[in-house]
Amino acid sequence: NAGVTQTPKFRVLKTGQSMTLLCAQDMNHEYMYWYRQDPGMGLRLIHYSVGEGTTAKGEVPDGYNVSRLKKQNFLLGLESAAPSQTSVYFCASSTTGPQAQYFGPGTRLTVL
Amino acid sequence: AQSVTQLGSHVSVSEGALVLLRCNYSSSVPPYLFWYVQYPNQGLQLLLKYTTGATLVKGINGFEAEFKKSETSFHLTKPSAHMSDAAEYFCAVSEYTGGFKTIFGAGTRLFVKA
Repeated sequence: NAGVTQTPKFRVLKTGQSMTLLCAQDMNHEYMYWYRQDPGMGLRLIHYSVGEGTTAKGEVPDGYNVSRLKKQNFLLGLESAAPSQTSVYFCASSTTGPQAQYFGPGTRLTVL
Repeated sequence: AQSVTQLGSHVSVSEGALVLLRCNYSSSVPPYLFWYVQYPNQGLQLLLKYTTGATLVKGINGFEAEFKKSETSFHLTKPSAHMSDAAEYFCAVSEYTGGFKTIFGAGTRLFVKA
């Protein structure tokens, strides 16, 4: 039982490049989330999903897109990376919205 | 609208001393409350949660928190700090108002001195 895994762990991009972050969970959770963590700002919700095939915007969705084609996977895309997107990205999952979330180990992204 | 305020971005205690990390929240409906811990270069792990029922909640590693509705607080305590408790701690509030929403506090970094 791996829990929540994230790929890749580290990435460096140049401004304007695109990339996709992959999150996978093996706990059969309905809800999945993408957050970004910046110093002194806690975690901010980018997008979330309440089930396969559904997605919704969070607090800071601009510049990001997501897809949930399979229940166990939640992809976060950056179409045209900007230096302001330099951050640590965490994926999480939960059984339902108000319940405890299980977090992945994070992806450290640097945009030059 | 819900919000979470953690008082003190950094807290330093001596090993064996009481740990007290403060969290105040605002919510328009009865909230679900959580404390998470983050060790360096790792994701967040659940320490404890309050949903309904008993207002004193016990979590892992000897931590506990008390939900005080009148004070809108959910402070985290541990009687005796251990070096291994050094980490960043996040308070979170979740409320369900047609759709769910979880808000995290900015975090408090705990330092433990030998």
